[in-house]
Amino acid sequence: AQTVTQSQPEMSVQEAETVTLSCTYDTSESDYYLFWYKQPPSRQMILVIRQEAYKQQNATENRFSVNFQKAAKSFSLKISDSQLGDAAMYFCALNNAGNMLTFGGGTRLMVKP
Amino acid sequence: GAGVSQSPSNKVTEKGKDVELRCDPISGHTALYWYRQSLGQGLEFLIYFQGNSAPDKSGLPSDRFSAERTGGSVSTLTIQRTQQEDSAVYLCASSLPVPQPQGAHPDEQYFGPGTRLTVT
Repeated sequence: AQTVTQSQPEMSVQEAETVTLSCTYDTSESDYYLFWYKQPPSRQMILVIRQEAYKQQNATENRFSVNFQKAAKSFSLKISDSQLGDAAMYFCALNNAGNMLTFGGGTRLMVKP
Repeated sequence: GAGVSQSPSNKVTEKGKDVELRCDPISGHTALYWYRQSLGQGLEFLIYFQGNSAPDKSGLPSDRFSAERTGGSVSTLTIQRTQQEDSAVYLCASSLPVPQPQGAHPDEQYFGPGTRLTVT
């Protein structure tokens, strides 16, 4: 069985500052994919960034980047130049069979103006 | 183009009643997924369809839960004899066909806005 753990139920960041959200996972597979999803109050899950486990280079998408440590099974999300619109629930997720996603419990990010 | 849609947006039902939740995937997406999100929790996988067949029903929490998909498009999740613990947001997602063999690149799952179910 695979598991995803987000140890930070809530995080807070000042607007324009940088924040890092933590995620650890466990899987017996060697080939898998990791994702960060954003869920605003509208409930719509939005894909923020994805990382293929076989790639050593960390994925980046504009202000969003990841620190993927495969040996440590760690996959943190860094948000730079935080904006008020970044406030949401963030979920880390794992896919290793091309089918269902396994999600962490989520981190609520608050952005202070 | 249109995204994944779900109906109803909200549903309040009495304990013991049956409910049907509907999901319309993105056109051309043959893979469809149902997840459940309890209050303040992450998403829990329920069932997955490839076309009209469900190769993975492992996440259905009890035999009161069932799902079907017709015409490779719309899917309905049915909960019979609802219980208060069934109260949650039910999210549907769709994606392009899962490539074979398994373990190849999974395509992005696009989520609908969910149905909030409240059992009183």
